Amino acid sequence: KQEVTQIPAALSVPEGENLVLNCSFTDSAIYNLQWFRQDPGKGLTSLLLIQSSQREQTSGRLNASLDKSSGRSTLYIAASQPGDSATYLCAVRGLTGGGNKLTFGTGTQLKVEL
Amino acid sequence: EAGVTQFPSHSVIEKGQTVTLRCDPISGHDNLYWYRRVMGKEIKFLLHFVKESKQDESGMPNNRFLAERTGGTYSTLKVQPAELEDSGVYFCASSQDWGNPGYGYTFGSGTRLTVV
Repeated sequence: KQEVTQIPAALSVPEGENLVLNCSFTDSAIYNLQWFRQDPGKGLTSLLLIQSSQREQTSGRLNASLDKSSGRSTLYIAASQPGDSATYLCAVRGLTGGGNKLTFGTGTQLKVEL
Repeated sequence: EAGVTQFPSHSVIEKGQTVTLRCDPISGHDNLYWYRRVMGKEIKFLLHFVKESKQDESGMPNNRFLAERTGGTYSTLKVQPAELEDSGVYFCASSQDWGNPGYGYTFGSGTRLTVV
């Protein structure tokens, strides 16, 4: 059974700092891994998707890496801004069990302070 | 393109009542999924439709939950009768191609269900 863990659970940083969010998963048989952002009371916004054959994806100030063999992904946020404050969720789409469902971590709650 | 739309955004009902949640996927997306997040837990899979067919309903918690997708367009998730432990946020998602690892899921804003 796939398990996804995100560390840290919460993080508070000053504006401008570069930061790394971590995600680990127990079963390396995956289709892809997706990073989402959730603002309070809102839905999930997809940030980056990394296919199992890829090592990293970049979008603006965000860079996500994937090391499938070790079951790890990181989300790097450069030059953080107060608008980046949100909960960041990592979700893995596994190959087993039909390959049609995402397994989520519990998220990292990020606060970027002025 | 319009995103995934869910309504209502909030629902407060009494234990024992019935509630129906609706999801409109992105037009042309054959794959529709329901997920939910109960208090303090991670988001968990409920079921997956391909068009109007249930591909996988292994995450449905019990027979008080009924999902339908008539005509392969919008979907409803009915809880009858609702229990306190059903409280949480119910998310719907859709995707264009189930078999392609390059396609991700697009989620709706969710329905926050509170059973009192």
